Parts: sequence; C-alpha cells; structure tokens
Amino acid sequence: SQTIHQWPATLVQPVGSPLSLECTVEGTSNPNLYWYRQAAGRGLQLLFYSIGIGQISSEVPQNLSASRPQDRQFILSSKKLLLSDSGFYLCAWSREGLASDTQYFGPGTRLTVL
Amino acid sequence: GQNIDQPTEMTATEGAIVQINCTYQTSGFNGLFWYQQHAGEAPTFLSYNVLDGLEEKGRFSSFLSRSKGYSYLLLKELQMKDSASYLCARGSQGNLIFGKGTKLSVKP
Repeated sequence: SQTIHQWPATLVQPVGSPLSLECTVEGTSNPNLYWYRQAAGRGLQLLFYSIGIGQISSEVPQNLSASRPQDRQFILSSKKLLLSDSGFYLCAWSREGLASDTQYFGPGTRLTVL
Repeated sequence: GQNIDQPTEMTATEGAIVQINCTYQTSGFNGLFWYQQHAGEAPTFLSYNVLDGLEEKGRFSSFLSRSKGYSYLLLKELQMKDSASYLCARGSQGNLIFGKGTKLSVKP
C-alpha cells in the first residue's frame, strides 16, 4: 500500500530564516506530487505540483520554491520566510497521468513564523 | 475556493441526517471529490463522482448533477466523530480546486 510522509510535523521559525520541508511517498512509482498551504480560515491553496523528476509547476508566485530531486521526493523551500508564510503545509500525491485524480495527503507540517 | 461554494458552518444532532451542498463552475469539469478534515489533521478522501447520480459508501453518500454544477454529501446516523470540516473539490486540468470547506458540528 502507498504511504506519504512529511517532516517536520511542526516548525517555529523567525522571519527571514530559510525553510526546507520534505515529503516522500512509498509504494508507488511516478506519482504526481503537490504542495498546498492552508491558512487559518482559508481553503487549500495549491502552491506547486510536479508530474516528474525536475518538473515543477508553480501556481502562486511568492517567496517559496519546490524541487523534486527524486521520483518520490518533493521539497518545499524558502530563502527568507515572511510572517505571511505561517500555515499548515500539506503534501499530496496522485497516480501518474494528466487527468484529475484522487489526491492523498500527508500528515502536514504546521509552520509558525514569528 | 475558486468558483466553488459551500456553506461555512452547519450544526446537526447525533443520530440525524445532514446534507452538505456544493456548487461549482462547470467549465473544465473533471470529477467532483469530497474530503473530510478533522481539526489539526490532513484531509482524507471520502468520495468521487464523475457521472450524474448517487454514490453510496456506508453512512456517507455523494450526489452529482453535472448540468446544474451541483453536488451534495449526505451523512446518515451522525456520530460525534463526524464533527469535522468537509471539503468539496472539483477536478480541473489535472488538478483539484478546493472549496473553503464546511465545518460540521455534531451535538449530542
């Protein structure tokens, strides 16, 4: 069966510090991978998605970036965090292919920027 | 959520039935999904509709009308553990577009 991991679970960072969140998927090959952010009182906002190694599409221009160095690894980064970057960051995967398909979420990382 | 509307909050009684409605923009539609999200946790997949009609899965059912851009999630025999947010999402161009969710509170 497929599993998705995220770490860390919680993170408190000062404004201006760098960020690296990691997501890995097990039990499947060539998954589509996604990064979402969920701010308090708001819906899920798609940040990045990837259909393959090195292929990243950005949905919202901001001070975040994503990378996919391996087939089942997806990393979310920032060079300098802003207060507005606080939120619940969720990684998700779906089966390979271009059609909209069921997405399965990791446990999430709760980020607080102070 | 982009072009997806669902009520912000609902309250229901334990043992009752509740229907959570969702309307969406029909252009580029590629499936309708429902997720459950307990406070502080990640969303979990509940149901998927791509054709018109009702899909039943235990106490949960989901309905879709593509021509009306309308779906609902029906929860029967409500339990306290059903208190959560319910997210409606539509497939579009390979991705999912999520609504802001409906927070359901189940009272004894």
